[in-house]
Amino acid sequence: DSGVTQTPKHLITATGQRVTLRCSPRSGDLSVYWYQQSLDQGLQFLIQYYNGEERAKGNILERFSAQQFPDLHSELNLSSLELGDSALYFCASSVLSGTGNTEAFFGQGTRLTVV
Amino acid sequence: GENVEQHPSTLSVQEGDSAVIKCTYSDSASNYFPWYKQELGKRPQLIIDIRSNVGEKKDQRIAVTLNKTAKHFSLHITETQPEDSAVYFCAASIGGSYIPTFGRGTSLIVHP
Repeated sequence: DSGVTQTPKHLITATGQRVTLRCSPRSGDLSVYWYQQSLDQGLQFLIQYYNGEERAKGNILERFSAQQFPDLHSELNLSSLELGDSALYFCASSVLSGTGNTEAFFGQGTRLTVV
Repeated sequence: GENVEQHPSTLSVQEGDSAVIKCTYSDSASNYFPWYKQELGKRPQLIIDIRSNVGEKKDQRIAVTLNKTAKHFSLHITETQPEDSAVYFCAASIGGSYIPTFGRGTSLIVHP
């Protein structure tokens, strides 16, 4: 168990709908990252939050948004869903020490299926 | 931004053989290089990492080497076992920001 909790584990929804994925980071980790993993694809970085503030954006679509709350949990919102959004969405957290990079711990992922 | 290339995409070996996975990165500011193992249907888990002030690091049957000049790093697995079968991802990140950019992964298959 990495200590990172993602809910739900599975989600099936129709095209055009909106869903929210939730992530609770490891205790003490201030930084949260969201990644998308499609079939036979690597881990595509979507967005990073640090202590409630957006820190970096990757290949995140405008239909997607995220936020990190005061208790440090994060939510990824996916709207106007398309079939191509079907993927495994991972959340990861790390300490993000200013003195050097540290390991990112991944949650179990949310498998999103858009039908 | 950073770009990480990983080869091969698939690697098939016999149990007991060695396996080598190679990655290159583009941004010379990258200074942290983790390797993750992802078993089927599971989350990626760190197996070894190396920082830019070190050229090689070893942990039992796995080792990672880094060539900063050429901007490439490699994962070496010796005496492979069937349980080593998984997808392996390399990553590179720039100091202080830690946004790991991942390679596309290598599917390692170890035949008994």
